[in-house]
Amino acid sequence: RKEVEQDPGPFNVPEGATVAFNCTYSNSASQSFFWYRQDCRKEPKLLMSVYSSGNEDGRFTAQLNRASQYISLLIRDSKLSDSATYLCVVYNSNSGYALNFGKGTSLLVTP
Amino acid sequence: DAGVIQSPRHEVTEMGQEVTLRCKPISGHNSLFWYRQTMMRGLELLIYFNNNVPIDDSGMPEDRFSAKMPNASFSTLKIQPSEPRDSAVYFCASSLGRAINQPQHFGDGTRLSIL
Repeated sequence: RKEVEQDPGPFNVPEGATVAFNCTYSNSASQSFFWYRQDCRKEPKLLMSVYSSGNEDGRFTAQLNRASQYISLLIRDSKLSDSATYLCVVYNSNSGYALNFGKGTSLLVTP
Repeated sequence: DAGVIQSPRHEVTEMGQEVTLRCKPISGHNSLFWYRQTMMRGLELLIYFNNNVPIDDSGMPEDRFSAKMPNASFSTLKIQPSEPRDSAVYFCASSLGRAINQPQHFGDGTRLSIL
């Protein structure tokens, strides 16, 4: 089983819709969680960290469920510019200093 | 501020040739990472340096791959001899301190095609 798994999508949603992605991780000792965004043919960029209590940044909300070992990303009022691939990233000290990246979920927001 | 700078942006070469990818991390960052991204396998960590010292190279696929960081502002990833299955996008990233606390900043990547 891969350490980080994501539904590759694509998720096609109309502008203004709310969309949510989940990501599961296999190592219960995982300590830190992030969402990165990657635009087509571009580099990944940190979108937000995921805190145990959940956190919000504008239209974006991240949640962590340790019991079920998944994290989620909710995007409200989707914009065309939100179209990208969203990478779930997990860190645990057993992996040394490495971040474990999921393969990403593709989102396409349409007019 | 300049971000992570990688060169070349694109590389097309024939199998068997030596390929050298270059990276200049963000000034002041003491951690540097080399990643490889393919559709099949996603983003994979190849090697991680901290203060110019290789800490974890368990992701380096085989002896044909080598990486060096002779100083805080420069790193290379070398493939010799190259094979078609090495075709991928190679990213360099840097961070201030350990990844657990700090975000990683990625370069634009090198798109490598081995014919």
